[in-house]
Amino acid sequence: ETGVTQSPTHLIKTRGQQVTLRCSSQSGHNTVSWYQQALGQGPQFIFQYYREEENGRGNFPPRFSGLQFPNYSSELNVNALELDDSALYLCASSLVGFQETQYFGPGTRLLVL
Amino acid sequence: DAKTTQPNSMESNEEEPVHLPCNHSTISGTDYIHWYRQLPSQGPEYVIHGLTSNVNNRMASLAIAEDRKSSTLILHRATLRDAAVYYCIVIQGAQKLVFGQGTRLTINP
Repeated sequence: ETGVTQSPTHLIKTRGQQVTLRCSSQSGHNTVSWYQQALGQGPQFIFQYYREEENGRGNFPPRFSGLQFPNYSSELNVNALELDDSALYLCASSLVGFQETQYFGPGTRLLVL
Repeated sequence: DAKTTQPNSMESNEEEPVHLPCNHSTISGTDYIHWYRQLPSQGPEYVIHGLTSNVNNRMASLAIAEDRKSSTLILHRATLRDAAVYYCIVIQGAQKLVFGQGTRLTINP
């Protein structure tokens, strides 16, 4: 059984650019959630996808968008990058939703210059 | 969202028990209490969860107060590998985990 994987591990972008982060969910999981973790802070919920549909969203602007594919892998897209977008982006997979245990990937560290 | 309050940091010695407290005074009757931990340079990992009764698993025990307004995560014999940030989260059946600042646990050899 493979765990949650994320790519790339690290990324450097400049302000105004766009970025796509990728997540492969754990085998058999149909739900993917994305979180942003600033340095020294706890993770903050961005949104969740269940069976390719957005299933809840946190307090993030529309320039944060996502996709889930038929194999339940997912992408997080961020447009018009800002310096404050520099953070660790975590993906978590689970069955059905939040009452189930979430399994996190190692994250993608994004630096915006 | 039910707010949780945890100490910023705690310290313990290797092979001793550790009791990590969490207050969640606004918890509702159907809200579950989950604990996750985040080791350095890793994503969070699930530790344990419960609703009303105390719970045990291979990693830890969870003691829940009778009024459910607080809980305690118990590591029975801490090891150096248990050094991490521990997050107490109350899940209200919504679509998100709400992480606080967590407790940074330091284990002394």
